[in-house]
Amino acid sequence: SQQGEEDPQALSIQEGENATMNCSYKTSINNLQWYRQNSGRGLVHLILIRSNEREKHSGRLRVTLDTSKKSSSLLITASRAADTASYFCATDAGGAQKLVFGQGTRLTINP
Amino acid sequence: DAGVIQSPRHEVTEMGQEVTLRCKPISGHNSLFWYRQTMMRGLELLIYFNNNVPIDDSGMPEDRFSAKMPNASFSTLKIQPSEPRDSAVYFCASSRGQSYSNQPQHFGDGTRLSIL
Repeated sequence: SQQGEEDPQALSIQEGENATMNCSYKTSINNLQWYRQNSGRGLVHLILIRSNEREKHSGRLRVTLDTSKKSSSLLITASRAADTASYFCATDAGGAQKLVFGQGTRLTINP
Repeated sequence: DAGVIQSPRHEVTEMGQEVTLRCKPISGHNSLFWYRQTMMRGLELLIYFNNNVPIDDSGMPEDRFSAKMPNASFSTLKIQPSEPRDSAVYFCASSRGQSYSNQPQHFGDGTRLSIL
């Protein structure tokens, strides 16, 4: 499968702590995207990182990309209860004519 | 700016019935995607339109599924006849540009479909 795979599948932390989620993929990519999905809602785009970029920031979010290891990480700093959601990475999986989503990491922030 | 609008939000119907899901993309977006999400298979792309033309329908499970985009502001996904295994959440998403992958996709809140 050329699908991105998130790790861990589930993560539970205390409010205020940092949360790190990882995504691995199998083939070369042009870019990688991270999305958030709240329960019962559609996916919301967070960050797009291109293959020639190593790191991007957006507010409390930091995404890194290591193309040599075919992996990316999403760091959420100073987590809040509202960050409770599932987080997905998506890649164009070099050559696949579509975005391929991973199975997601379910993040729970405990107050 | 209104987001992607899907209707209905929930649909419960009996096996064998025709189901039509509707989507209004964000104005100005020229790419539209239909996805299906299940616990077992995750999020799967069913079909992708660009400028109202179907570009990739390789994800459409079988002939029972069809999708149309008669104009830039409306698309339908139809299942006829429906089967219990079609039960899932169906999402519509839209984006700018021609590429399926180098622009953020904006998702609707989905249609939760249950086939009894």
